[in-house]
Amino acid sequence: QVTLKESGPALVKPTQTLTLTCTFSGFSLRITGMRVSWIRQPPGKALEWLARIDWDDDTFYSTSLRTRLNISKDSSKNQVVLTMTNVDPEDTATYYCARLRYIRGAYFFDYWGQGTLVTVSS
Amino acid sequence: QSVLTQPPSVSAAPGQKVSISCSGSSSTIEKTSVSWYQQVPGMAPKLLIYDNNKRPPGIPDRFSASKSGTSATLGITGLQTGDEADYYCGTWNTTLSTGGGLFGGGTKLTVL
Repeated sequence: QVTLKESGPALVKPTQTLTLTCTFSGFSLRITGMRVSWIRQPPGKALEWLARIDWDDDTFYSTSLRTRLNISKDSSKNQVVLTMTNVDPEDTATYYCARLRYIRGAYFFDYWGQGTLVTVSS
Repeated sequence: QSVLTQPPSVSAAPGQKVSISCSGSSSTIEKTSVSWYQQVPGMAPKLLIYDNNKRPPGIPDRFSASKSGTSATLGITGLQTGDEADYYCGTWNTTLSTGGGLFGGGTKLTVL
């Protein structure tokens, strides 16, 4: 059974660095082909893809946010960490982690965490 | 503004059929596959369709999808009140070295 769960602060001040952790079970990022992504959703708005990390440590970032994001993994703990620097109230959103699958040319997110709401406010 | 365009809302009566469109471009939908997600209010998104038209285990065959050129369509038949949710299409931008995920703006389905 695959599960993912996000954790991190509910409130962050502007200009601070946000650190979110995704703890997962039911699969391993040591296995070839496994990937995890972060996705966010501002209140009442659409989903926005942020970053991805693969089993082989390859990382990919949203073009618009790449200078502020860093994604890393600790395969021994089954965790993926996302840091976002210099946060702004526009970064207020529910942040999700999701397992990303790639099968015969098709990318899709098959399992999602419950999400964690992060509010950026002074 | 999302790279994939969806209608903001659709509605239909219980038991009826509804279609939700997702319009992209030659560098997005046309080059790779489309997935669809259902998000019930207050919940995380859930995978409905992957690889253009495949259903994961547990997704009823009332949900179907297709892709043609730069557009994709999700169809739902036999509408139920439990189908009221936001629906998102998703794909991957393979033309960027960053390999980025893309989502539509979402469509709110109301079952009247």
